[in-house]
Amino acid sequence: SQQGEEDPQALSIQEGENATMNCSYKTSINNLQWYRQNSGRGLVHLILIRSNEREKHSGRLRVTLDTSKKSSSLLITASRAADTASYFCATGSHNTDKLIFGTGTRLQVFP
Amino acid sequence: AAGVIQSPRHLIKEKRETATLKCYPIPRHDTVYWYQQGPGQDPQFLISFYEKMQSDKGSIPDRFSAQQFSDYHSELNMSSLELGDSALYFCASSLTRGTGELFFGEGSRLTVL
Repeated sequence: SQQGEEDPQALSIQEGENATMNCSYKTSINNLQWYRQNSGRGLVHLILIRSNEREKHSGRLRVTLDTSKKSSSLLITASRAADTASYFCATGSHNTDKLIFGTGTRLQVFP
Repeated sequence: AAGVIQSPRHLIKEKRETATLKCYPIPRHDTVYWYQQGPGQDPQFLISFYEKMQSDKGSIPDRFSAQQFSDYHSELNMSSLELGDSALYFCASSLTRGTGELFFGEGSRLTVL
C-alpha cells in the first residue's frame, strides 16, 4: 500500500456483533476517511474525520483518530449481513488532491 | 441523484493494444480522479484534474495518459497494454478540491489477454 496497513486483513463475525477495524498511516494528514466496497463495485464514502477531531459518529459507525500514533479505528455496531464488504481507510494531506488508500479489511457478517 | 458514470464497464484487450476509458463526473463537481485497483489490492491513485487541468499525479505509467475536456468528462488512454494492466479502473469526482469526500463510479474492468 502507498500509505499504510489495515488490520485485521479479514474479519468474520455473527450478526449483532460489533466489528472493529484499524488503520495506520505514515504521513501527516488533514483528514482520514473510511470507504466501503462491495466485491467488484465502486467505493462508497462512509465517514470523514478531520485531523483536529478525535472521534466521530454516524449511525452505527464510530470512528476514532489518534494523530500521535498515526492510527484510526472504525467500529460498526450491531452488524448486519448487509455490512459484508471490504472497508478501506484513506488519508488526505495538505497541498495535494489525492486520497491514499490503506490495504483494506474484508468483513464477513454471518446471519 | 446523478452519480459518476464510467464506460465501458468491461473491456477485453490483447497485449500491446490500446484502450480508452471514459468518465462523466457528477454535475458541478470540479475535480476528477482516476484510480487503479488490482485483484485483492487497494486502489492506487493515478492522476487527478481540477477545472480541466492536471492537478496531481501518482503512479501512472508513461504508457497512460489522461485529460479532462471542456464538458468536464475525462478519458484515460492506455497504450501498449501489458498483462499487469488488468485491473478495475475507477473514476471519482469531488465537489470541492482538497480531499473531501470522493464519489466513485462503478469502475471499468480491463482484462488484458
